[in-house]
Parts: sequence; C-alpha cells; structure tokens
Amino acid sequence: RKEVEQDPGPFNVPEGATVAFNCTYSNSASQSFFWYRQDCRKEPKLLMSVYSSGNEDGRFTAQLNRASQYISLLIRDSKLSDSATYLCVVTQNQAGTALIFGKGTTLSVSS
Amino acid sequence: EAEVAQSPRYKITEKSQAVAFWCDPISGHATLYWYRQILGQGPELLVQFQDESVVDDSQLPKDRFSAERLKGVDSTLKIQPAELGDSAMYLCASSPPGMNTEAFFGQGTRLTVV
Repeated sequence: RKEVEQDPGPFNVPEGATVAFNCTYSNSASQSFFWYRQDCRKEPKLLMSVYSSGNEDGRFTAQLNRASQYISLLIRDSKLSDSATYLCVVTQNQAGTALIFGKGTTLSVSS
Repeated sequence: EAEVAQSPRYKITEKSQAVAFWCDPISGHATLYWYRQILGQGPELLVQFQDESVVDDSQLPKDRFSAERLKGVDSTLKIQPAELGDSAMYLCASSPPGMNTEAFFGQGTRLTVV
C-alpha cells in the first residue's frame, strides 16, 4: 500500500466550478501535512499547510481528519490559472521531517 | 528571494556513464533532500541530510547512487553507471531548522539517459 494516495484524476472543470481533491495516508505517526502545487515541468511549490482545525486561504480550503487519516483540498470559483498538478504531502520518518509525496492530481480548468 | 540552486538544468548522458548533480540550499537550511520525479508521478525521496549527516537513505539505490554533503552546505548526487531507467527529474529541496517545516525546491535537473 502506497504511503500517500490521491484521487487519480485528471479533473477537467469549467471556470467558476468548485472542485475537491482527496488524499489518504497510511502512517498514523505522520505529523505535518501540506498541499503543494506543481506546474508543468516546474518544481513543486507550497500551496498551503494543513491543520487539524482546517485552514482557508482565499478560494482554497484544506481539511485534515487524523482519525480517518484523510486530507482534502477544496478550490472554489476555479480560475484558468489554477490548472496544475496538486500534490498531497505528509511528513514521516523517525525525525518527523521527510516529506512524502502522493502521485498528484491534475486539474485542468477551461473557459 | 533566496532560492535553492541546482546545476545543471539539463543533462543527457549515455548509459553506463557517470553523472553528477549539484545543489546549493537556501542559506541556513540544515535539512537537504534529493528527490527523483518520473513523468506523471510524485517526487520520490532518495536521501535526506541533516547538516552533513544522512537521516534517511532507505530509498536510495546504493549500488549505483551516492550522495554527499561534506560540509553541511551544498550537496552532490552521483549516479554510476547510469541506466536508461534513471531518466527523470532530480529535485533538490531544503528546509529551515525545526520540525514540521515546508521544503523549498530548486528548479531540478532533467536527466535523459540514452
């Protein structure tokens, strides 16, 4: 079983749509959780951290359910510029710092 | 804005040859990572350093891959001999001190083995 699993995608949505990505992780000892965004042939960049209390940044909302080992990302009012691959990331090793990435879910927003 | 520097950006090499990648993390970042990303996949951790010490190299194919960070600053990842299946993007990232911190990535080295 892969350590971090994401919706396979791709997601193709029109501008203005709301889209949700899901992610599950296998190691209950994972301590930190992030969503990264990666544009085609570019490096991953942090989109937002994910906290147990949930957090919101403009049109983006991230949620964490530790009991279910489940993370989500909600994007409201999708823009063309949101087209990218979204990577779910958890930390897990003895030092609690190594970032383990999911396979990524590709979003394509069309006009 | 401080960045993680990597070189070269692109490398084409013949199979069985040796190849090396270099990374200079953001100043003050004690943690350095090397990841490999195959097209259509997420980044896969190869090795993690804390200062000059290896914290995790469990996924590093040690028969052909080696990594070092001798003075705890910049790092080199080497492949010898390269195989066709090593074609991928090699990403270096660094994190500031402390637990649960994000990683900042360099632009990567795209390796093609022919």
